[in-house]
Amino acid sequence: DGGITQSPKYLFRKEGQNVTLSCEQNLNHDAMYWYRQDPGQGLRLIYYSQIVNDFQKGDIAEGYSVSREKKESFPLTVTSAQKNPTAFYLCASSTGTDKTYEQYFGPGTRLTVT
Amino acid sequence: QKEVEQNSGPLSVPEGAIASLNCTYSDRGSQSFFWYRQYSGKSPELIMFIYSNGDKEDGRFTAQLNKASQYVSLLIRDSQPSDSATYLCAVNSPGGYQKVTFGIGTKLQVIP
Repeated sequence: DGGITQSPKYLFRKEGQNVTLSCEQNLNHDAMYWYRQDPGQGLRLIYYSQIVNDFQKGDIAEGYSVSREKKESFPLTVTSAQKNPTAFYLCASSTGTDKTYEQYFGPGTRLTVT
Repeated sequence: QKEVEQNSGPLSVPEGAIASLNCTYSDRGSQSFFWYRQYSGKSPELIMFIYSNGDKEDGRFTAQLNKASQYVSLLIRDSQPSDSATYLCAVNSPGGYQKVTFGIGTKLQVIP
């Protein structure tokens, strides 16, 4: 059963702590993405990776870090430097071989920092 | 000017009617256009994509693209209460990498 998994579904942290969000896909997709969604705003791109061991900053990368050591995995770390980390985080992947580049999303992780 | 613009709604239509959702984009070089459906508290689900001018139909859904006017629309025929969701328009960014820009989404309410 192919798809994208994110864990955990809900995550609670105290301010000042780093936290890592998991994203795994078994779709054999080359490209993976991290977005953040806040109420009343569209999806905003944090980081993306087109190939293993390579990734680029998106529009709001400050306070976040990623790694892409395996094709299937693209974890996101929310660091204490991120000023407003409470949000709905979405991981996505795309084939990288079709010009439409349609992206498929995981179920998301809702992070609350207090 | 926002890169991808949508009316946030809500757009209310009666059950059985046609719902028309619109989206405009600013970059004339954009080539691929996507519609996602997002239920409250859930992640977006791809329902349509289009990259040629004209109409593309899939069941009750029709995507329409007009590159000259820089707009893309989604029609939902025979709207059902289960269609009530937020519909996100997404447009690819030209430049050789697989990045898309999302609009804020239009909330659709189908009234029984």
